[in-house]
Amino acid sequence: KAGVTQTPRYLIKTRGQQVTLSCSPISGHRSVSWYQQTPGQGLQFLFEYFSETQRNKGNFPGRFSGRQFSNSRSEMNVSTLELGDSALYLCASSLRPSPNTEAFFGQGTRLTVV
Amino acid sequence: GESVGLHLPTLSVQEGDNSIINCAYSNSASDYFIWYKQESGKGPQFIIDIRSNMDKRQGQRVTVLLNKTVKHLSLQIAATQPGDSAVYFCAENIEGYSTLTFGKGTMLLVSP
Repeated sequence: KAGVTQTPRYLIKTRGQQVTLSCSPISGHRSVSWYQQTPGQGLQFLFEYFSETQRNKGNFPGRFSGRQFSNSRSEMNVSTLELGDSALYLCASSLRPSPNTEAFFGQGTRLTVV
Repeated sequence: GESVGLHLPTLSVQEGDNSIINCAYSNSASDYFIWYKQESGKGPQFIIDIRSNMDKRQGQRVTVLLNKTVKHLSLQIAATQPGDSAVYFCAENIEGYSTLTFGKGTMLLVSP
């Protein structure tokens, strides 16, 4: 079966713009989590969605938001982009809400803010 | 490929050697741990997990050891292969919370 699909793979934006990233989970998976990965901070949790509801949110400013649709696909949005938002954004899907279950990661979206 | 970390601890081994990657966690309330492998340009891949009521768990060529007394986790890879070269992350979950906290990662380099 197809894995977790994230689009786009690469993105370049300028400061002040906004961006929307998309994640399609594995078929049948209803839980989607988002992470930000940077060389300095490593993998940091952004949010988790299950059945269209946000279950948990990490310690990120309100410029970072997300949502999940009825087909379990999820989007995250970052408004008023800053240089420090440059990172690899990873989406993980699982059958049930994390953790206690194996999460499958996508390849990520590499966002560069200039 | 993409770099996932520029200043990671690095373990260099020869093909065929056994590798041990260590991870210290800070929260004694953590009750579930996972090891992930991340190759350049890819997302993290699940390797093995362990719950806090266990000290050891074995998979195919991999063993995870958990020492709750000193809050230490290790991943042992037997007969390391060049394809094992990647960044390895440990992740912990605190009981009652639904999120994972990831370590900074260790880069494993396997020479043929």
